[in-house]
Amino acid sequence: DSGVTQTPKHLITATGQRVTLRCSPRSGDLSVYWYQQSLDQGLQFLIQYYNGEERAKGNILERFSAQQFPDLHSELNLSSLELGDSALYFCASMRGLNTGELFFGEGSRLTVL
Amino acid sequence: GENVEQHPSTLSVQEGDSAVIKCTYSDSASNYFPWYKQELGKGPQLIIDIRSNVGEKKDQRIAVTLNKTAKHFSLHITETQPEDSAVYFCAPFDGNSGYSTLTFGKGTMLLVSP
Repeated sequence: DSGVTQTPKHLITATGQRVTLRCSPRSGDLSVYWYQQSLDQGLQFLIQYYNGEERAKGNILERFSAQQFPDLHSELNLSSLELGDSALYFCASMRGLNTGELFFGEGSRLTVL
Repeated sequence: GENVEQHPSTLSVQEGDSAVIKCTYSDSASNYFPWYKQELGKGPQLIIDIRSNVGEKKDQRIAVTLNKTAKHFSLHITETQPEDSAVYFCAPFDGNSGYSTLTFGKGTMLLVSP
């Protein structure tokens, strides 16, 4: 158990819909990272937050947005969903800002029909 | 941003053989070099890491070697076992930067046959 909690574990929805994925980092970790992993694909970096502030952005679509709240949990919002958004979405946390080990959650599997 | 390449993309070995996976990176400022293991249906987990002031680090059957001049580092697994079958990722970055996209390599699928 990494200590990172992601909900929901599985989500099935239709094209055009909007979903929110939630992540609770390990206790004491200030950084949260979001990654997308499609079938047979590697881990695509989406966005990083540190202590409530956005610090780095990858190739995140404009239809996607995220935030980190004062209690350090984070949410990834995906809107106007398309079939190609079906993927595993991972949240990972780190103690500080680029300090070392990333701790990953078990992922949220999104299926868009 | 950092360009990260891993080779090979797939590696099949017999139990007991050794396996080596190489990671090449572009950012000369990178100073932290981790390897992650992802088992089926799970999130990646750190198995070994090295910092730039060290050339090699070993932990039982796994080791990481670093060549900063050539900008590559490698994961070595000796006496492979079926439970080593997984996807392995590298993710080098600059720990001194306040900004990092933490780019992962595309992964190497290791298959260990009994």
